[in-house]
Amino acid sequence: ETGVTQTPRHLVMGMTNKKSLKCEQHLGHNAMYWYKQSAKKPLELMFVYSLEERVENNSVPSRFSPECPNSSHLFLHLHTLQPEDSALYLCASSQDWGEEVYEQYFGPGTRLTVT
Amino acid sequence: KNQVEQSPQSLIILEGKNCTLQCNYTVSPFSNLRWYKQDTGRGPVSLTIMTFSENTKSNGRYTATLDADTKQSSLHITASQLSDSASYICVVSGGGFSGGYNKLIFGAGTRLAVHP
Repeated sequence: ETGVTQTPRHLVMGMTNKKSLKCEQHLGHNAMYWYKQSAKKPLELMFVYSLEERVENNSVPSRFSPECPNSSHLFLHLHTLQPEDSALYLCASSQDWGEEVYEQYFGPGTRLTVT
Repeated sequence: KNQVEQSPQSLIILEGKNCTLQCNYTVSPFSNLRWYKQDTGRGPVSLTIMTFSENTKSNGRYTATLDADTKQSSLHITASQLSDSASYICVVSGGGFSGGYNKLIFGAGTRLAVHP
């Protein structure tokens, strides 16, 4: 295992539901990331947190709301999603974030289906 | 435009055979190139990271090459095993974006199936 865990592993939700994805890293890293992976498309970076501060938001719709209460935990709050939001959501962490070459360690992902 | 393109999209080989996956990129300025392996239902796992000055790096039966002049990389898998069945993702760091940091630009991956 990579030291990054995600829950739940699978989630089915209706368009009017509110749910949250959770990520936890046990590596002592300072940076955490949310990615979206759709079928046959490259990973899309959604958010980056460094030392609990959001440092990047890649034009993600407001129906996705991240939260980083401390450097070990990262949440992605979901509300009023669309069917096209169905994808694998991956969390990753790295020692730090910035210009340096930092290895990213990925969690197993949450397979989200919006009905 | 900063892009990473991988070929082929998918590949089927027999167990024990070798194969080579390709990655071409247009990212500039370039910082480093990574190859990840992603098993079905799992997150990507790093295989190699290469900087500008490195032109080959091995990790067991995986050997990555980098030609920074032509902006091409390849991942060679030797004596394939059934467990090599996965998606292989090429990721380039660079772009010199605002804020003084580099972004990771992902390829769409090559899906490899190793058959007995």
